[in-house]
Amino acid sequence: ELKVEQNPLFLSMQEGKNYTIYCNYSTTSDRLYWYRQDPGKSLESLFVLLSNGAVKQEGRLMASLDTKARLSTLHITAAVHDLSATYFCAVDQNAGNNRKLIWGLGTSLAVNP
Amino acid sequence: DAMVIQNPRYQVTQFGKPVTLSCSQTLNHNVMYWYQQKSSQAPKLLFHYYDKDFNNEADTPDNFQSRRPNTSFCFLDIRSPGLGDAAMYLCATMTGMGASNQPQHFGDGTRLSIL
Repeated sequence: ELKVEQNPLFLSMQEGKNYTIYCNYSTTSDRLYWYRQDPGKSLESLFVLLSNGAVKQEGRLMASLDTKARLSTLHITAAVHDLSATYFCAVDQNAGNNRKLIWGLGTSLAVNP
Repeated sequence: DAMVIQNPRYQVTQFGKPVTLSCSQTLNHNVMYWYQQKSSQAPKLLFHYYDKDFNNEADTPDNFQSRRPNTSFCFLDIRSPGLGDAAMYLCATMTGMGASNQPQHFGDGTRLSIL
C-alpha cells in the first residue's frame, strides 16, 4: 500500500530565508504532484514531476524528484509572505490509466515579516 | 475561464435532509473525482469515475452516492447528512491518458454546513 509522508507538517519562517519541505513515499511511482492551498480555497497545481531527476522551478519555488530514494523536495528561496499557504504532495498510485492520487498530510507554511 | 465548475459554492442543509452537489467540466476529461476535505486535513477521496465506471473507496460511507450522467457532469448525493459531514467538497478531473503530464484540475469547492 502506497503511503506518503510530508515533513515538516508545520513551518514558520522569516521572510528572506530558505527552507525545504520533504515528501517521502513508500512504493514505486512514476508521477508526483505538488499543490498549494490557501485557507478556505481549493487546490492549485504547482508542479508535476514525471521522472527521476526531474527539477521544476516557478518563482521562488523549486521542486525535485528522486525516484530511487522515493523522495521529492519543495525548496523555498527567499521566502515572502505571499507564499504562506498549505502545500501538499500527492503521488500517483500507478494504476495505469485510472489515476488515483495518494496525498500527504500537507505542510502548513507561515512566512513572517 | 473556469474549467471545473462546482455549484453551489456554499450549501447549508438541515441534519438528515438530502443534498446534492454538482460538478461540471469543460476539459473533456475521462476521470472525475469527489473529495471531502475537513479543516486542516488532506483531501480524502470518496469515489471517482473513469468514464462511466464507478470506483468507490472502501471507507466511503453508504450515505454518499454519486452519479455521472455524461462526460461533463458529476453529482455527489448525501442521502442523510450528519454533523460530521460538514466539510469542503472538492471535484477534480484528470485525463485518463496514461502518458499525460497533466495534474488533477480542481473546482473551487462547495462548503457544506449542517444545521
